[in-house]
Amino acid sequence: DTAVSQTPKYLVTQMGNDKSIKCEQNLGHDTMYWYKQDSKKFLKIMFSYNNKELIINETVPNRFSPKSPDKAHLNLHINSLELGDSAVYFCASSQDIGGELFFGEGSRLTVL
Amino acid sequence: GNSVTQMEGPVTLSEEAFLTINCTYTATGYPSLFWYVQYPGEGLQLLLKATKADDKGSNKGFEATYRKETTSFHLEKGSVQVSDSAVYFCALSVRNTDKLIFGTGTRLQVFP
Repeated sequence: DTAVSQTPKYLVTQMGNDKSIKCEQNLGHDTMYWYKQDSKKFLKIMFSYNNKELIINETVPNRFSPKSPDKAHLNLHINSLELGDSAVYFCASSQDIGGELFFGEGSRLTVL
Repeated sequence: GNSVTQMEGPVTLSEEAFLTINCTYTATGYPSLFWYVQYPGEGLQLLLKATKADDKGSNKGFEATYRKETTSFHLEKGSVQVSDSAVYFCALSVRNTDKLIFGTGTRLQVFP
């Protein structure tokens, strides 16, 4: 069983569309994250949720809206997609504050 | 603020060569330090970590020592293999925060 799973793995869409990426973890962790990795491999945190509550919201446009229906799931919805949103989005989870992160395999978003 | 600086890649080596990837950090307080590895097409995985000064993290032949005096956490391996080809990320977390801050990543290419 995959510990942190994301869907879809690849997503190609037009500018202006709205899309969602889903993430689920079966590790029983309390904290989940979304990271964005750009074309140069630079990895930057976007959001963090602990027990369904938002605890980190970096300077991300409000077109990005995370939703955590329960502590095992953290979905990312993106409105009005722009070219600059093209990246690989990684979901991750951790049990402890500042502890080891377990990453999903990433979702590659391409905006045309 | 807190930040991590890594040497730029790619680092290109022949099999069995010695590897060093430099990492220095800036942090308020006493951070924990990590090395993550990303194999092609996969998410990041924790490679090793150190939580206090002079600790040495080690795994799969890789080592890194937490040097508070030089604010460094350089990654080393005595004899690299082709299978070590990946992108390596240095990261830190400051105590009592949920945020892991990554360096820009260093691509390692090992040729037979």
